[in-house]
Amino acid sequence: DTAVSQTPKYLVTQMGNDKSIKCEQNLGHDTMYWYKQDSKKFLKIMFSYNNKELIINETVPNRFSPKSPDKAHLNLHINSLELGDSAVYFCASSRQRQVGNTIYFGEGSWLTVV
Amino acid sequence: DQQVKQNSPSLSVQEGRISILNCDYTNSMFDYFLWYKKYPAEGPTFLISISSIKDKNEDGRFTVFLNKSAKHLSLHIVPSQPGDSAVYFCAASYNQGGKLIFGQGTELSVKP
Repeated sequence: DTAVSQTPKYLVTQMGNDKSIKCEQNLGHDTMYWYKQDSKKFLKIMFSYNNKELIINETVPNRFSPKSPDKAHLNLHINSLELGDSAVYFCASSRQRQVGNTIYFGEGSWLTVV
Repeated sequence: DQQVKQNSPSLSVQEGRISILNCDYTNSMFDYFLWYKKYPAEGPTFLISISSIKDKNEDGRFTVFLNKSAKHLSLHIVPSQPGDSAVYFCAASYNQGGKLIFGQGTELSVKP
């Protein structure tokens, strides 16, 4: 069983489009995250939700909007896609706000904006 | 400004030998450090961690060393195996609601 699953795995879209990446975890965790791996390979946190409440919101353009309908889901919606949004987006979850070995990552969603 | 850096993008080691992956950080407030391993087309998976109150943590073939004065940590893999070939990410935290600061990764290749 996949612990953290995200869809789609690959997404190619044109500039200006709006797209969503969905994430679900079946671990019963309270906290979920979105990380972005950019062209320089750094993994950077974008958002974190704890029990559907936003707790971390890094300096991310307003075009990115996370939505957590329940604590098992954290979706990422991106408006007016730009070339620089091309990256791998990882969803993750953890028990409460604990760090480290309780953070489980999804397989990543490869977004290419053309 | 990257607070966690892995200056070697790649490392190649012979099977059976020691692999040493390095990581430097700039923020002295970090109190917890981790290593994650990532295979292609998969998400990072937790490997080993160390608290800032320790200078060494060992788990089987994997040992992490922390040098706080130098703001440096390293991961030793002994003996290295071909299955260890992956990208290794160093990460650090100062307990801010689960926020991890990652390095850019080092790709390890263990040759048979």
